Amino acid sequence: EAGVVQSPRYKIIEKKQPVAFWCNPISGHNTLYWYRQNLGQGPELLIRYENEEAVDDSQLPKDRFSAERLKGVDSTLKIQPAELGDSAVYLCASSPWDRGSGANVLTFGAGSRLTVL
Amino acid sequence: DQQVKQNSPSLSVQEGRISILNCDYTNSMFDYFLWYKKYPAEGPTFLISISSIKDKNEDGRFTVFLNKSAKHLSLHIVPSQPGDSAVYFCAASAYSGGGADGLTFGKGTHLIIQP
Repeated sequence: EAGVVQSPRYKIIEKKQPVAFWCNPISGHNTLYWYRQNLGQGPELLIRYENEEAVDDSQLPKDRFSAERLKGVDSTLKIQPAELGDSAVYLCASSPWDRGSGANVLTFGAGSRLTVL
Repeated sequence: DQQVKQNSPSLSVQEGRISILNCDYTNSMFDYFLWYKKYPAEGPTFLISISSIKDKNEDGRFTVFLNKSAKHLSLHIVPSQPGDSAVYFCAASAYSGGGADGLTFGKGTHLIIQP
């Protein structure tokens, strides 16, 4: 079974430039997450999708960040314009979340490392 | 305010001995807890989990213990092996009933297994 696929793995841009990250979740996983991980920190949730609906985007900086999940499968996270503080690893995860038990095991992709100069 | 705390940034253990990683949480609504393992340049990988209705879950060399009254959980690895050297993240989620909440992570503990 293919895992969560993310691209690009690495991206270096100058501040004020736009950047986009792409994620293909595990087939059949209806829940998709974008996390940001800063150096020395744990992942922090940016946005969560149930199918194509963003059900929790409270932590997404909406002035410069946007996300979409067309047809409830692939997702794109965009930053425009990028700032120095956006340098981080952007992780995508998906889950088949078991509503009956509450078990919520996320499978993560390898991440996209962004460096803003 | 950190809801999931891992107070040990690093831990060094001799190969073959027991590794104990600790995690504390403050949100009493959390009812599902997980441990993830992360190697450099890779995403976190699920290791083991425990529901709040249990106090112990075991999977091979890995055991997770949950003390709800103390809002504390721990991961025991025995015996520790060189391949266990990685960063371990504690994570928690709250069952909202209406959807799958995202996980809240601690800052991680870097486990180093000494040969």
